[in-house]
Amino acid sequence: GAVVSQHPSRVICKSGTSVKIECRSLDFQATTMFWYRQFPKQSLMLMATSNEGSKATYEQGVEKDKFLINHASLTLSTLTVTSAHPEDSSFYICSASDLRDWGTDTQYFGPGTRLTVL
Amino acid sequence: QKEVEQDPGPLSVPEGAIVSLNCTYSNSAFQYFMWYRQYSRKGPELLMYTYSSGNKEDGRFTAQVDKSSKYISLFIRDSQPSDSATYLCAMSAGSQGGKLIFGQGTELSVKP
Repeated sequence: GAVVSQHPSRVICKSGTSVKIECRSLDFQATTMFWYRQFPKQSLMLMATSNEGSKATYEQGVEKDKFLINHASLTLSTLTVTSAHPEDSSFYICSASDLRDWGTDTQYFGPGTRLTVL
Repeated sequence: QKEVEQDPGPLSVPEGAIVSLNCTYSNSAFQYFMWYRQYSRKGPELLMYTYSSGNKEDGRFTAQVDKSSKYISLFIRDSQPSDSATYLCAMSAGSQGGKLIFGQGTELSVKP
């Protein structure tokens, strides 16, 4: 149980284009979904927290107009990197909290999406 | 000072060794403690979850939490090459909308 999928797993795009990454909880309903960014040999950097049907809460220093997050249902959240530039190249990982684990703060992670902007 | 400190390693051990991974933290409000394993180019996988102080065992893995010392540990018995990965500790106070605070991660290599 508690499986999270991400799509695509890898994407290469040209500078200036927008890229959408999907995060789905496959066998549970997610109260909250999180989006992280990870650079090589570094820990996870939280970008934003989203709850179904409400606006995402962004961490300090994360541009909300550049990283658009939509949490359309209890099983789907999307991250859109708008007008991507080479410095946006990174490993993006989503996670989700299972409604049944409410109060434990346990997060289940997706496999990640590697974005390369040329 | 970071809220959570974790030695990044790398840590190299021979197959069969007992591995000890540790994190220290400064926020006494933390009460939920987790260990995640992350293979290269993959998302983190939840290994162990502990609430408050105490020990928890699952197969070859044992998690310990000492809240009085603000110190948590993960022990791996009979380590295998397949255990080679980065291990991340994570914790929360349960009052920040589910946000986890992560350690930097310890890179472990188990040599056959």
